[in-house]
Amino acid sequence: EVQVLESGGGLEQPGGSLRLSCAASGFSFTNFAMSWVRQAPGKGLEWVSIISASGGSTFYADSVKGRFTISRDNSKNTVYLQMNGLRAEDTAVYYCAKTVCGVTSCPPFLDYWGQGTLVTVSS
Amino acid sequence: DIQMTQSPSSLSASVGDRVTITCRASQGISSYLAWFQQKPGKAPKSLIYATSTLQSGVPSRFSGSGSGTDFTLTISSLQPEDFATYYCQQYNVYPLTFGGGTKVEIK
Repeated sequence: EVQVLESGGGLEQPGGSLRLSCAASGFSFTNFAMSWVRQAPGKGLEWVSIISASGGSTFYADSVKGRFTISRDNSKNTVYLQMNGLRAEDTAVYYCAKTVCGVTSCPPFLDYWGQGTLVTVSS
Repeated sequence: DIQMTQSPSSLSASVGDRVTITCRASQGISSYLAWFQQKPGKAPKSLIYATSTLQSGVPSRFSGSGSGTDFTLTISSLQPEDFATYYCQQYNVYPLTFGGGTKVEIK
């Protein structure tokens, strides 16, 4: 069974940093790109970032480019989202999702999602 | 960026009704259109990919159609467990973008 489990959320002050983790199991992690999607309270879904299976290719939403960094450790079946320079508008539930692709040049349908971790940015 | 516009933003329907949700892309996305279902407090669940292919385990009362810029999600006979918010998403180009959602409520 495919499982994706996010952790690392919490309350952080504006300008601060957090690192989210996403532990995956039930599939061959090293063969699939992984993505982050967020949802602000009461709002819709916003794609954040994606990383290829090898970790060699990444893409970001403009809203987080230069502040967030996606990475992965294939020896630990884990993908990370390092969030720096946090802003109030980054407050959201952050979901990690498996894609059906290995490379980012393949159209990345998000087939399995985790339950999410809440990030709150407030002073 | 490709804008995804869903309509309606909400609808009220009864069990057994046929429900149709539309999604329009601001430019062509080939067939790279997915649909997700989200219930309150839960993660989104994938329903359909490549416009019309049902994800494993999704009931056959769900169907998708369309091409280019105009797409449709149809629930042929609404069941109690289908009351939720539905999102379309294009995955043809980055950034991936979602529609604003359609909330399906009980009449």
